[in-house]
Amino acid sequence: AQRVTQPEKLLSVFKGAPVELKCNYSYSGSPELFWYVQYSRQRLQLLLRHISRESIKGFTADLNKGETSFHLKKPFAQEEDSAMYYCALSGDSSASKIIFGSGTRLSIRP
Amino acid sequence: KAGVTQTPRYLIKTRGQQVTLSCSPISGHRSVSWYQQTPGQGLQFLFEYFSETQRNKGNFPGRFSGRQFSNSRSEMNVSTLELGDSALYLCASSAQNTGELFFGEGSRLTVL
Repeated sequence: AQRVTQPEKLLSVFKGAPVELKCNYSYSGSPELFWYVQYSRQRLQLLLRHISRESIKGFTADLNKGETSFHLKKPFAQEEDSAMYYCALSGDSSASKIIFGSGTRLSIRP
Repeated sequence: KAGVTQTPRYLIKTRGQQVTLSCSPISGHRSVSWYQQTPGQGLQFLFEYFSETQRNKGNFPGRFSGRQFSNSRSEMNVSTLELGDSALYLCASSAQNTGELFFGEGSRLTVL
């Protein structure tokens, strides 16, 4: 069964400090992993996906199949990074069923 | 391009009633997915439609149903409402096989 686990409900870090939001998944095949973000009063939107290997707004995420993890990282947090972050997984080639984790609220302190 | 539009944005119902929520996807998107969002459970997958066919279904009781029309617009229905159905219901559309979901603002349902 597909499952996404985000162990932290809330993560609070100071501006300029490194950020790591944890995501672990359970899936027997080759999943596609995503990070979605919801800023205050905005819609949920895609931040990045592992197959693109991009850095978006300074965030990166590496798929570690051995540890079944897809942690989101940023070396220097900014206040505008405060938001709700969801890790998500799709287990089929059509990406038609995307399962989300419970989310982590990131709060950046000035 | 207009984004995903959901109506109504807010509604209040009482236990036992039924409700129908509507979603208009981004033009050209044929896949529509529905999610239930609650503070405790996060985003729970309800179902996904593609070309008027339900392609995937989550673990929700049969009281939750949906459909998709030929213009890709989708509706979901919840019958015999329970207090626990109070949630934000999100609709998302996507182009085929991209995996990127575009979300609407949601329909907030309160069951009294």
